[in-house]
Amino acid sequence: AQTVTQSQPEMSVQEAETVTLSCTYDTSENNYYLFWYKQPPSRQMILVIRQEAYKQQNATENRFSVNFQKAAKSFSLKISDSQLGDTAMYFCAFMNNAGNMLTFGGGTRLMVKP
Amino acid sequence: DAMVIQNPRYQVTQFGKPVTLSCSQTLNHNVMYWYQQKSSQAPKLLFHYYDKDFNNEADTPDNFQSRRPNTSFCFLDIRSPGLGDAAMYLCATSRSGGMPNSPLHFGNGTRLTVT
Repeated sequence: AQTVTQSQPEMSVQEAETVTLSCTYDTSENNYYLFWYKQPPSRQMILVIRQEAYKQQNATENRFSVNFQKAAKSFSLKISDSQLGDTAMYFCAFMNNAGNMLTFGGGTRLMVKP
Repeated sequence: DAMVIQNPRYQVTQFGKPVTLSCSQTLNHNVMYWYQQKSSQAPKLLFHYYDKDFNNEADTPDNFQSRRPNTSFCFLDIRSPGLGDAAMYLCATSRSGGMPNSPLHFGNGTRLTVT
């Protein structure tokens, strides 16, 4: 079974600054998918960024980028130029190669301060 | 355009009174999931349908059942809701079997209150 660990229950960052959210996982699979999801208060869970394990290049989506370290089983999310709208719960998630199982980490509550 | 639609957004039911939550999708994804999410916690997978095949998580109580009459619709039935079943219920879909597999697309959720 896969496990996903987010060691930071809560974080805060000043508007326009950069913040990094940590995520580690454990799996015996060689090929898999990793995601960061954002869940604003009382709002829908939305995909922020994805990474295929067979790709060495770190994924980037505008202000969001990841640092994927496959050997270390680490998948951190960097948010640059933080905005107030980035305030949300962030969940790291692991999907198995078969694509039918998504395991979430415990989440990190991010507060962006003006 | 809404792609995964959950109805209702808020549902109140009485202790022990059966309740059904619904989910529909316009993505034609072959996998549909039901997650339970309690306050400030990660979503917990209850079960999923891979096409027509039902897959129950080992620790999902028997009180929770699901139906998928066709590709587009999936229902969550709670036969006898208890106070501990109050939570947000998230429906999600994905396309699986291709490379790469798609991420999960979530609906807005149904917040269930049990009185």
